[in-house]
Amino acid sequence: AQKITQTQPGMFVQEKEAVTLDCTYDTSDQSYGLFWYKQPSSGEMIFLIYQGSYDEQNATEGRYSLNFQKARKSANLVISASQLGDSAMYFCAMREGKTGGFKTIFGAGTRLFVKA
Amino acid sequence: DTGVSQDPRHKITKRGQNVTFRCDPISEHNRLYWYRQTLGQGPEFLTYFQNEAQLEKSRLLSDRFSAERPKGSFSTLEIQRTEQGDSAMYLCASSLDGMSNQPQHFGDGTRLSIL
Repeated sequence: AQKITQTQPGMFVQEKEAVTLDCTYDTSDQSYGLFWYKQPSSGEMIFLIYQGSYDEQNATEGRYSLNFQKARKSANLVISASQLGDSAMYFCAMREGKTGGFKTIFGAGTRLFVKA
Repeated sequence: DTGVSQDPRHKITKRGQNVTFRCDPISEHNRLYWYRQTLGQGPEFLTYFQNEAQLEKSRLLSDRFSAERPKGSFSTLEIQRTEQGDSAMYLCASSLDGMSNQPQHFGDGTRLSIL
């Protein structure tokens, strides 16, 4: 069963506007972590933001925030004030707890295009 | 912190040949992971180590694939009798042990092309 679902293969956003990238997940663990990574065309994977399953507040890192809705099992990434350099693939990932072997699994990604 | 380094960056080989990739993690990181990524997809988990112990292997990892981390530092991933379907980017990542909030730090990957 697919555990990380990113339903948007591609997204367009106007420069300086905000954009939300969707991510839903499935796990039976109570303790897990959710991550977002950015992969520019150059190929490197860049860590953006983390949300723990027990964190009560949504995570924020600069222009990135994570809209965590635990009951819905969603962990959407919000990028505010988009910049041209934000154009990249974005991957949602989940690290499961003990029952999941502590490994991290990734979604299929969303390609974001920022328009000038 | 010199980051995760992988060698080589690119490997082109003929079908049926064996290839070996190396990954040097961030020095204080106990955990080391191998992933495979094909074009337009997210990284697929292959295996991971905690220190020198290989704790889990994906079902994707056929018996042609073997990974080692002999001294708990660098790791190698070997693919024997390569096939066309092995063409992909092979990513290595490392993280601190036991810290659930610690992200994985990725290397730049080794791109494998099978002729």
